[in-house]
Amino acid sequence: RKEVEQDPGPFNVPEGATVAFNCTYSNSASQSFFWYRQDCRKEPKLLMSVYSSGNEDGRFTAQLNRASQYISLLIRDSKLSDSATYLCVVNGRDMRFGAGTRLTVKP
Amino acid sequence: NAGVTQTPKFQVLKTGQSMTLQCAQDMNHEYMSWYRQDPGMGLRLIHYSVGAGITDQGEVPNGYNVSRSTTEDFPLRLLSAAPSQTSVYFCASSTGQVGGTEAFFGQGTRLTVV
Repeated sequence: RKEVEQDPGPFNVPEGATVAFNCTYSNSASQSFFWYRQDCRKEPKLLMSVYSSGNEDGRFTAQLNRASQYISLLIRDSKLSDSATYLCVVNGRDMRFGAGTRLTVKP
Repeated sequence: NAGVTQTPKFQVLKTGQSMTLQCAQDMNHEYMSWYRQDPGMGLRLIHYSVGAGITDQGEVPNGYNVSRSTTEDFPLRLLSAAPSQTSVYFCASSTGQVGGTEAFFGQGTRLTVV
């Protein structure tokens, strides 16, 4: 079993839609959690950290449930520029990535 | 700011050849790591280092060596290239609190082994 598992996608949504990505992790000792964004053929870049209390950054909301070892990312009012692959990242002794979920936002 | 610099950006090797992928960062980060990214597999950790002189294995270390003689540099060596090592390789660094902080990535090295 992979340490970090994500919805494989792809997700194809119209502009303005709300889309949610899910991620589960297996290492209960994990200490910190992130969502990264990766554009085609580019390096990953930090989108946002994820906290137990939940956190929001504009149209993006991230949630963490430590008891269920589950992380989520909600994108509201999707824009064309949100099209990318979203990577769930779990940090413990080292940093582990999910396989990523590809999102395409269409006009 | 240069951030994390990887060289080369592209490389073609013949089976059995060896080479070194270079990674340098100018942010004085303690933690550095190497990943490979294959279609459908996400980024898989090869090796990482929590500081100069300290390295450890990740998920897929076989066929690769690393060393960390300085804080700035973390080269990845392919000992005897195999077609299965065809991949995109990313180097990353962060401030070093294990389990902590944002990682910054280099632009990647696209390696093809024929």
